Amino acid sequence: DSGVTQTPKHLITATGQRVTLRCSPRSGDLSVYWYQQSLDQGLQFLIQYYNGEERAKGNILERFSAQQFPDLHSELNLSSLELGDSALYFCASSVAGGGLYEQYFGPGTRLTVT
Amino acid sequence: AQTVTQSQPEMSVQEAETVTLSCTYDTSENNYYLFWYKQPPSRQMILVIRQEAYKQQNATENRFSVNFQKAAKSFSLKISDSQLGDTAMYFCAFLSSNTGKLIFGQGTTLQVKP
Repeated sequence: DSGVTQTPKHLITATGQRVTLRCSPRSGDLSVYWYQQSLDQGLQFLIQYYNGEERAKGNILERFSAQQFPDLHSELNLSSLELGDSALYFCASSVAGGGLYEQYFGPGTRLTVT
Repeated sequence: AQTVTQSQPEMSVQEAETVTLSCTYDTSENNYYLFWYKQPPSRQMILVIRQEAYKQQNATENRFSVNFQKAAKSFSLKISDSQLGDTAMYFCAFLSSNTGKLIFGQGTTLQVKP
């Protein structure tokens, strides 16, 4: 158990809908990262937050957004869902942002868009 | 931009034998970390081993060790005394000191046969 929690574990929804994925980092970690794992794109970095502020952005679609709250939990919002958004979404946390710190991964949320 | 390449999509090994998984990367940075993550059928991302680029000594964690060749930008993982529980997908990952984001290779599926 990495100490990073993600809810829900599974999510099935229809095209065009909007979902919210939630992540709670390890105790003491200030930085949260979101990654997407899909069959065709592999594991890709989406976005990073550090202590409530956006720190880095990767290949995140405009339909996707995220935020980190004062209690440091983070939410990833996916809207106007398409079939291609079906993937495993991971949250990871580290003690700080930037620099060289290990990232610990949550169990992931499996999103299926039908 | 940094890239990570795992040229072996699938590998197999007999239980109790040794197997080596290959990884090469490309970067112009001098300070970075490299990781191997294990993803078993449960889909959890588990950190196996870490190597700091500034360290010449190869990292070792029990049955897992790496061969880090900085000049060649090579980072292979050796699993000794393979166990059935080692069956998983293994990802090589690069952590940039500049961005703090992980860049993953495509993964190698390892099957340990009894």
